Amino acid sequence: EDKVVQSPLSLVVHEGDTVTLNCSYEVTNFRSLLWYKQEKKAPTFLFMLTSSGIEKKSGRLSSILDKKELFSILNITATQTGDSAVYLCAGSGGSYIPTFGRGTSLIVHP
Amino acid sequence: GAVVSQHPSRVICKSGTSVKIECRSLDFQATTMFWYRQFPKQSLMLMATSNEGSKATYEQGVEKDKFLINHASLTLSTLTVTSAHPEDSSFYICSARRGGYDNEQFFGPGTRLTVL
Repeated sequence: EDKVVQSPLSLVVHEGDTVTLNCSYEVTNFRSLLWYKQEKKAPTFLFMLTSSGIEKKSGRLSSILDKKELFSILNITATQTGDSAVYLCAGSGGSYIPTFGRGTSLIVHP
Repeated sequence: GAVVSQHPSRVICKSGTSVKIECRSLDFQATTMFWYRQFPKQSLMLMATSNEGSKATYEQGVEKDKFLINHASLTLSTLTVTSAHPEDSSFYICSARRGGYDNEQFFGPGTRLTVL
């Protein structure tokens, strides 16, 4: 059974801090690792990672995958209150059906 | 980008009634749609995968007679919660995937179901 574990489960920081969210996975016939941001409604797509060691970047967010150690990290620099959300990580294997982790709840205080 | 809509966004119903939730891909054809359920502070739990024109594949522990899924066209899938009970109260989210090997899913905004 595929498994995705995220840590920490929750995180409280102040604006301007940098945070690192972790995601480890065990996925049969692994194809990709996906990160989503979920605010009050459904998740919005952030990144899809398929290759080890290649950083993907979007503004203050960046992510990287390590296929040898089976984990990924999501970094957010200079956090803002609008970054407050649950960040979900999902591993996708041969069926292309992602298995989601429980998410990391990030709260950014002004 | 690809847009997926869900209707209704919120529904309150009495115990024993049935509720239908629609999921539409607005600007692309979705060969596969997924239905998830999310309880408070929990992750997304896949309920079923539906492919256009064929029967849905349900995850273990999900009752197919209770959660009826129909994927009648390439842009519409429906989830009907039959004889709803208070324990079915949850946030239901659909997602749609385009054909081919593109495995990015586009999520709908979700439906909050409350069963009294």
